[in-house]
Amino acid sequence: SQQGEEDPQALSIQEGENATMNCSYKTSINNLQWYRQNSGRGLVHLILIRSNEREKHSGRLRVTLDTSKKSSSLLITASRAADTASYFCALYNNNDMRFGAGTRLTVKP
Amino acid sequence: GAVVSQHPSWVICKSGTSVKIECRSLDFQATTMFWYRQFPKQSLMLMATSNEGSKATYEQGVEKDKFLINHASLTLSTLTVTSAHPEDSSFYICSASWRTDTQYFGPGTRLTVL
Repeated sequence: SQQGEEDPQALSIQEGENATMNCSYKTSINNLQWYRQNSGRGLVHLILIRSNEREKHSGRLRVTLDTSKKSSSLLITASRAADTASYFCALYNNNDMRFGAGTRLTVKP
Repeated sequence: GAVVSQHPSWVICKSGTSVKIECRSLDFQATTMFWYRQFPKQSLMLMATSNEGSKATYEQGVEKDKFLINHASLTLSTLTVTSAHPEDSSFYICSASWRTDTQYFGPGTRLTVL
């Protein structure tokens, strides 16, 4: 079964900079979701983008989906120290969800 | 948003004992609940999918007799780790959904088996 492959595995930036994470996959999906996990905490759902959508925004988050390239990106603008966390993409297809290994984002104050 | 709770948040037990983890959807009825396991620095691994009133569907490689899942009501699912061993130590996360393609995750349960 497929799961998303995220890139990069780790990312370290300064506060105020933008952070971009990518997720690639191989088969078809109904939707793609991004989650955040703070250390020692549960996953928090950030944004869902359906297979017929190309871009979605939520606050400082921007997600794009390119089904022809089978890839998605998560952009966090004007990052804050509180954005430090692991970010996972999840592929949803017919009530089956698979997570990638995640990108560890560190935002330095 | 929808709230899913897990209890306990952490548990330490001796090898050979059984541990029950509860997953509750607090403000919605969950037709489907999922159980995940997360190893350190790795992604979530789906263990099983449970629909209310029916037997759970286990992923390949997950022992049904070791990880007992019960989804007795639309708001409660339980995962029982039977005869736990140190290799079962992990972070267990449940999620719940209701007729949508969005899952709401619980905060997770840290299991440590001595």
